[in-house]
Amino acid sequence: GEDVEQSLFLSVREGDSSVINCTYTDSSSTYLYWYKQEPGAGLQLLTYIFSNMDMKQDQRLTVLLNKKDKHLSLRIADTQTGDSAIYFCAESPNTDKLIFGTGTRLQVFP
Amino acid sequence: GAVVSQHPSWVICKSGTSVKIECRSLDFQATTMFWYRQFPKQSLMLMATSNEGSKATYEQGVEKDKFLINHASLTLSTLTVTSAHPEDSSFYICSARSGFNEQFFGPGTRLTVL
Repeated sequence: GEDVEQSLFLSVREGDSSVINCTYTDSSSTYLYWYKQEPGAGLQLLTYIFSNMDMKQDQRLTVLLNKKDKHLSLRIADTQTGDSAIYFCAESPNTDKLIFGTGTRLQVFP
Repeated sequence: GAVVSQHPSWVICKSGTSVKIECRSLDFQATTMFWYRQFPKQSLMLMATSNEGSKATYEQGVEKDKFLINHASLTLSTLTVTSAHPEDSSFYICSARSGFNEQFFGPGTRLTVL
């Protein structure tokens, strides 16, 4: 079945690192994604990782993929108040569909 | 990145009326558009996939006669919520894609049915 789960809430101090975790169920997903949603706005693609990779780094963002455990994480280094948003992971079991996780609300405080 | 717009950004309507939401790809031709529904503090649920010039493919549990989707051109798709009821109140988000590239998301439309 298709089920993507995330913890609901994360609170961090400005300047610290944030780690948002995600578990998925469909091992056939070729790509896994991280999206950011700011209040009242649509989704912005932050980064993605191909399923045969273990890690991808893009500036302050690091994605780790444990395919055996079907676990995906997003690390944001030097978290800023502007990073406060809801973060969704998503898997893509085929080229048409994106299955989104429940979303993690990141709150960054000074 | 590519820009996708939605109109209106929010709408309030009376129960029993129909509401049309537009999704436009502004700077690219969208061969495929997707419609999602997002309840407060919940994830996005895919409602339907539409390819230009053909009928939409609806996800299980989504009533096609209630949520009419038209993808008449490569830059425009519309979602019409027919005979809206309070339980249809939600945030509706579209996305658009050219070929099998990245999906670009619109800013969403908040529908409130009184």
